[in-house]
Amino acid sequence: AQSVTQPDIHITVSEGASLELRCNYSYGATPYLFWYVQSPGQGLQLLLKYFSGDTLVQGIKGFEAEFKRSQSSFNLRKPSVHWSDAAEYFCAVGAGGGSQGNLIFGKGTKLSVKP
Amino acid sequence: DSGVTQTPKHLITATGQRVTLRCSPRSGDLSVYWYQQSLDQGLQFLIQYYNGEERAKGNILERFSAQQFPDLHSELNLSSLELGDSALYFCASSVVGNTIYFGEGSWLTVV
Repeated sequence: AQSVTQPDIHITVSEGASLELRCNYSYGATPYLFWYVQSPGQGLQLLLKYFSGDTLVQGIKGFEAEFKRSQSSFNLRKPSVHWSDAAEYFCAVGAGGGSQGNLIFGKGTKLSVKP
Repeated sequence: DSGVTQTPKHLITATGQRVTLRCSPRSGDLSVYWYQQSLDQGLQFLIQYYNGEERAKGNILERFSAQQFPDLHSELNLSSLELGDSALYFCASSVVGNTIYFGEGSWLTVV
């Protein structure tokens, strides 16, 4: 069965430091992979997605993610974190073939940013 | 603002009751999706409608049902509510095969 694992429940980084959020997936075919961000009291906003092609994907707000098939990973990175990046981050895999809407989400990683 | 509108934003109701959550998709989006976010289960896909017809079903309880109307808005009906149904319910919409956009959710508290 498809699944997504985000091993880190909570991460704290200092403002200006680099960030890497981990995501591992289990999926039988070539996965459609996504990272979403949820700020307190807000809906989910898409940061970036991977379908095929270049394994390094650029997203909004300065985020990028790298798809590594051999490791079944899709880690999210940002070179310099801003205080406004504090939020919860969700990795997801598309479970419905070409559908981008039937998603299996990880449990999320909450990011805190120290001044 | 994603363009997906959900009402009500907050709802408190008693066990055993029935509630209806409403979703207006982005203009032109034919697909509507419903998700549940709870502390113990996380984010779970419930159901998808496309142009009025059910397209995919996830972990949706039999006590829950949804429909999509000709004007493309959708409703999620939750009945015989239990304490464990307390959650944030998201609606999302998309053009087929494209990125989905989430609304801000409807907070349901069952007391």
